[in-house]
Amino acid sequence: GAGVSQSPRYKVAKRGQDVALRCDPISGHVSLFWYQQALGQGPEFLTYFQNEAQLDKSGLPSDRFFAERPEGSVSTLKIQRTQQEDSAVYLCASSLYRTDGTDTQYFGPGTRLTVL
Amino acid sequence: DAKTTQPPSMDCAEGRAANLPCNHSTISGNEYVYWYRQIHSQGPQYIIHGLKNNETNEMASLIITEDRKSSTLILPHATLRDTAVYYCIVRVATFFPPGAQKLVFGQGTRLTINP
Repeated sequence: GAGVSQSPRYKVAKRGQDVALRCDPISGHVSLFWYQQALGQGPEFLTYFQNEAQLDKSGLPSDRFFAERPEGSVSTLKIQRTQQEDSAVYLCASSLYRTDGTDTQYFGPGTRLTVL
Repeated sequence: DAKTTQPPSMDCAEGRAANLPCNHSTISGNEYVYWYRQIHSQGPQYIIHGLKNNETNEMASLIITEDRKSSTLILPHATLRDTAVYYCIVRVATFFPPGAQKLVFGQGTRLTINP
């Protein structure tokens, strides 16, 4: 079946522009995560949804970052007034949990954001 | 989450077994060991996870020491397509809400498979 898809794959924005990044999770996956990956670093957690509820947004770096998942499937990460330090790959992952409390996160290919 | 320590890089010849070590000396009893890998320009890919028993799947084997303070990921017959950054992550199982645990990635091990 289809995996996690993200769009656009590449985005170039001028400093100060707003951007919206889309994630289509695997159908039926309850959990959805957003991560940010700077060049040469491991991914870092941004936020987590269970269905439409945003249960953890502790990783969002500033109030310019906003995420939503209004119907419990597609999610959008919005960055307002982009800054150069926002340049990174933004990864989305969805998962199904197991009865033992573990899960497997399936990642999309990411959106590479470059802020000029 | 407990922290893990991995070598920054390793090399392995194509066709040989690649053994990737991970230290997690502060792991708690309810924390699992997960392995993910990230091939260049792709999102991370789940490989395997385990609690205390050794695990094997179609991709790899996971060997966890009896004291659970370290583990080894084994790729039995490495191919060029296994060149990637490999991340060892320890993570507690959660039930309320279930599966609601972020992954905390370190720097990982950059594995290069040589022809």
